[in-house]
Amino acid sequence: AQSVTQLDSQVPVFEEAPVELRCNYSSSVSVYLFWYVQYPNQGLQLLLKYLSGSTLVKGINGFEAEFNKSQTSFHLRKPSVHISDTAEYFCAVGSGGTSYGKLTFGQGTILTVHP
Amino acid sequence: NAGVTQTPKFQVLKTGQSMTLQCAQDMNHEYMSWYRQDPGMGLRLIHYSVGAGITDQGEVPNGYNVSRSTTEDFPLRLLSAAPSQTSVYFCASSYSPSGRSSSYEQYFGPGTRLTVT
Repeated sequence: AQSVTQLDSQVPVFEEAPVELRCNYSSSVSVYLFWYVQYPNQGLQLLLKYLSGSTLVKGINGFEAEFNKSQTSFHLRKPSVHISDTAEYFCAVGSGGTSYGKLTFGQGTILTVHP
Repeated sequence: NAGVTQTPKFQVLKTGQSMTLQCAQDMNHEYMSWYRQDPGMGLRLIHYSVGAGITDQGEVPNGYNVSRSTTEDFPLRLLSAAPSQTSVYFCASSYSPSGRSSSYEQYFGPGTRLTVT
């Protein structure tokens, strides 16, 4: 079984400040990790993913995340946020074999960027 | 490509009514899934399918049925709606992990907002 914990339900931040959204996971097998963004009243859009290789992954809109196997974390970062980054962010974990295609999501973190 | 499409966008049901949420994809993806999204709980997997004629249960399957007669379509049926099924429903699709085009990414539809009174 696998699980995902997003450590902050809400993160308020001022425009142009850096931000980190925290995600921890647990799994007994090798995992694939994802961050999705959901803008108000819209579906989910993939920000970035970690499958294998370099532990620092870069995504769209200036976001990046670092996979830390020893700490079972996959925190999302952006050095300078914009008002348009206001959205809900979801961390998700998947695995291979018979579990492929079944994503387990965290509870979500609402990022609010203030002017 | 239209990607993943879902109909209807909004629906209000009375307790005990039945209905079908439609999902279609035009990317020739083998895998399709249904999730429900509830505040503070993220998305939870209801049912999924690894190909036409093959379906399996996810984390929260009770009260829902699925079938997959074609690669393109994966409808979700609510047999007797209950207020606890008030939620936003997302359909997603992806390539098989063995496919050359596989990126392990799931593509999501725009969602159906369901209210059961």
